[in-house]
Amino acid sequence: NAGVTQTPKFRVLKTGQSMTLLCAQDMNHEYMYWYRQDPGMGLRLIHYSVGEGTTAKGEVPDGYNVSRLKKQNFLLGLESAAPSQTSVYFCASIEQGSYNEQFFGPGTRLTVL
Amino acid sequence: GNSVTQMEGPVTLSEEAFLTINCTYTATGYPSLFWYVQYPGEGLQLLLKATKADDKGSNKGFEATYRKETTSFHLEKGSVQVSDSAVYFCALTRTGFQKLVFGTGTRLLVSP
Repeated sequence: NAGVTQTPKFRVLKTGQSMTLLCAQDMNHEYMYWYRQDPGMGLRLIHYSVGEGTTAKGEVPDGYNVSRLKKQNFLLGLESAAPSQTSVYFCASIEQGSYNEQFFGPGTRLTVL
Repeated sequence: GNSVTQMEGPVTLSEEAFLTINCTYTATGYPSLFWYVQYPGEGLQLLLKATKADDKGSNKGFEATYRKETTSFHLEKGSVQVSDSAVYFCALTRTGFQKLVFGTGTRLLVSP
């Protein structure tokens, strides 16, 4: 099993450009999450999904959109990137209804100039 | 609301020293508590967890005890190694919510 994978690993954008980050998991997990990690702020939840076709806002959703068309994939979109979105983005997944661990991907480092 | 407070780092120790990283929480109800570790350039990995009061989580020589009376979940290790150098995150989740609330992380640097 590959676990949770993220594409791409690194990306540099100019202000106003758009991009999509892909998260894929092969563990058949129902719940998936997108976080951003910024120095001194820990991880903050952007959006999450409790199943295929469902999404919900997290703590810091503004400027991002998500889609969960397939159970194994969770996409994070930036329609018009801003320098404030420079961050490291992590995807995670978990089995429904348990206290099991969230499995994290390796992260995507995004720089917006 | 729910929140987690961790001691600020970095924590700098020599190899074989004793480690404590403090974590306190605020939550309604009975949260589950976690410690995650992030090695350089990697994602987070679960280190240990405790799901009810007085539970002790342990893994790789690390321990933490869920103290409801002091709302704490301090991470300890008796003898750290250089390979323990990483960022450690305390986190909680509430029953039925499946969403983690993280602390800001504490960087540990262990020198030979």
